Amino acid sequence: EDKVVQSPLSLVVHEGDTVTLNCSYEVTNFRSLLWYKQEKKAPTFLFMLTSSGIEKKSGRLSSILDKKELSSILNITATQTGDSAIYLCALTHTAGGTSYGKLTFGQGTILTVHP
Amino acid sequence: KAGVTQTPRYLIKTRGQQVTLSCSPISGHRSVSWYQQTPGQGLQFLFEYFSETQRNKGNFPGRFSGRQFSNSRSEMNVSTLELGDSALYLCASSLGTGAGNQPQHFGDGTRLSIL
Repeated sequence: EDKVVQSPLSLVVHEGDTVTLNCSYEVTNFRSLLWYKQEKKAPTFLFMLTSSGIEKKSGRLSSILDKKELSSILNITATQTGDSAIYLCALTHTAGGTSYGKLTFGQGTILTVHP
Repeated sequence: KAGVTQTPRYLIKTRGQQVTLSCSPISGHRSVSWYQQTPGQGLQFLFEYFSETQRNKGNFPGRFSGRQFSNSRSEMNVSTLELGDSALYLCASSLGTGAGNQPQHFGDGTRLSIL
């Protein structure tokens, strides 16, 4: 069965710090790895990674996939209090060439950024 | 473009009752997936509907069921409610077609409390 493990489970930092969140996985028929940010309500899509070694960036956030190590990292530089949230890593799998709408999630990393 | 809309936002029921939750996907999205989120188990996949057919199913008892209408709107039903069904129920939509990778976009969820 597919498995996604995130670390650390929680992290407390101060504004301006840089953080690295980890996601490791075990999956058959890997399709893609996604990162989401969840504050009080809906998880918000951040990145989708399908190819190893290609960094995706959006402002202060970046993420990269390492298929050899079966892992991904999410970096946040110059953290702000608004970055406080749960960061979720999820996998999609494929069957017969079709990407089905099933995401397998990790436990999430709770990030708290103090002023 | 309007996002994923879930109704109602909050619901309080008692054990033994049944409940129906509704989800309207992003316009043009044909895949709708449902997830249960609890503090102990995190986000767990319930099922996915595409073109009015259940395409994938998670490991939940038969009390959890769903359906999708021709306009892609989906409903989820839980019968004979148990205390353990208290959770945030999230709906996510995506295009759902083709071999391309398409991220799922989430609604704000329905918070279900069982007394």
